[in-house]
Amino acid sequence: SQQGEEDPQALSIQEGENATMNCSYKTSINNLQWYRQNSGRGLVHLILIRSNEREKHSGRLRVTLDTSKKSSSLLITASRAADTASYFCATDSGGNQFYFGTGTSLTVIP
Amino acid sequence: ETGVTQSPTHLIKTRGQQVTLRCSSQSGHNTVSWYQQALGQGPQFIFQYYREEENGRGNFPPRFSGLQFPNYSSELDVNALELDDSALYLCASSAAGARETQYFGPGTRLLVL
Repeated sequence: SQQGEEDPQALSIQEGENATMNCSYKTSINNLQWYRQNSGRGLVHLILIRSNEREKHSGRLRVTLDTSKKSSSLLITASRAADTASYFCATDSGGNQFYFGTGTSLTVIP
Repeated sequence: ETGVTQSPTHLIKTRGQQVTLRCSSQSGHNTVSWYQQALGQGPQFIFQYYREEENGRGNFPPRFSGLQFPNYSSELDVNALELDDSALYLCASSAAGARETQYFGPGTRLLVL
């Protein structure tokens, strides 16, 4: 079974709008990461947030983490058509396994 | 580009056959993990190798096995293929001091008929 679950499963927005996707997980974690995947190819690491951090920024990306609710959100501001992809959260509980969620499929309409 | 390469890109096999997938890690990375990603799902951890030793395994049967070589390239072997083994197989490499940051290859898409 997979640790994380993303919400929504699919999201369609206009170029320039913001996109928000959420991730919930079940057990305590050391860190949580977000990845992007284009058309069933390899995953690209976007951002890592540690369990003692609440918010992190990287360019147009903003990630929040609420360990009390076991949830995280990824905000992409001023979206572009090139942001169209699937987005996955992955949790690291300190072992050697990373648990991925089922992903959010984002479509940005030009 | 992450510097992680996988071969082949696509593969078609029949049920019961055996398959070997290959991964070349990013330079300087001594840890490699393998994942199976079924269509519409997130990647599932198969196992991890560190310095040529298995260093963790997910919920996969023994017919999934692996090797890591001194140059840190690796192989995933799957015996007695089943239809449900059809998936995208991803490898990811990481450095010992930054294990949490994984660099993924483009994947091998396996179809079992």
